[in-house]
Amino acid sequence: QVQLVQSGAEVKKPGASVKVSCKASGYTFTNYGLSWVRQAPGQGLEWMGWISAYNGNTNYAQNFQGRVTMTTDTPTSTAYMELRSLRSDDTAVYYCARTTFDGTVAGVYWGQGTLVTVSS
Amino acid sequence: QSALTQPASVSGSPGQSITISCSGTSSDVGGYNYVSWYQQHPGKAPKLMIYDVSHRPSGISYRFSGSKSGNTASLTISGLQAEDEADYYCSSYRSSSTLVFGGGTKLTVL
Repeated sequence: QVQLVQSGAEVKKPGASVKVSCKASGYTFTNYGLSWVRQAPGQGLEWMGWISAYNGNTNYAQNFQGRVTMTTDTPTSTAYMELRSLRSDDTAVYYCARTTFDGTVAGVYWGQGTLVTVSS
Repeated sequence: QSALTQPASVSGSPGQSITISCSGTSSDVGGYNYVSWYQQHPGKAPKLMIYDVSHRPSGISYRFSGSKSGNTASLTISGLQAEDEADYYCSSYRSSSTLVFGGGTKLTVL
């Protein structure tokens, strides 16, 4: 069965970076993309961007341009999301979600979420 | 990068039908048939309920349906049940291969 398993919770100081992983199983990794979506405490969903696992092409939301990098490692079927220059308002649960090949639909399958806490 | 507009809350009694709207622009909802709807229970990951405006993924109840008119998409839940109480989010494909979410709607089953 399809599974997306994310790395564990992180606590970071302002200005630091965080790298969250998302290990996929149960499907052909390169046939899909991965989107990253975050949710601050008590807030709604925010799309951060997506990466094609086929060719590594990325599209980032304007709000994160220059501060986020999404990558994949095909041999291990793992996607990564690195967010730099962390601020307190980056405290959120970060989800990966399997995305169609063309990036039009995200989320038939989701990771369990990774809580990132930014605090001094 | 504005989010899509959803009502903050809707409510209905068991057995009734409710509709949640999702308003965008011609650059997202109105320009593409790539509107999705998600259900999220507290502390859980979102669950895809509708994709491509009106298609249900495997295993999703027929009580959930989607539609679109112009720049506004809608999610209708018929035969409301207690377990439908959750937050609902719409999303749309937007030009330049990006996605955008709505602000979310809290559904209360009375």
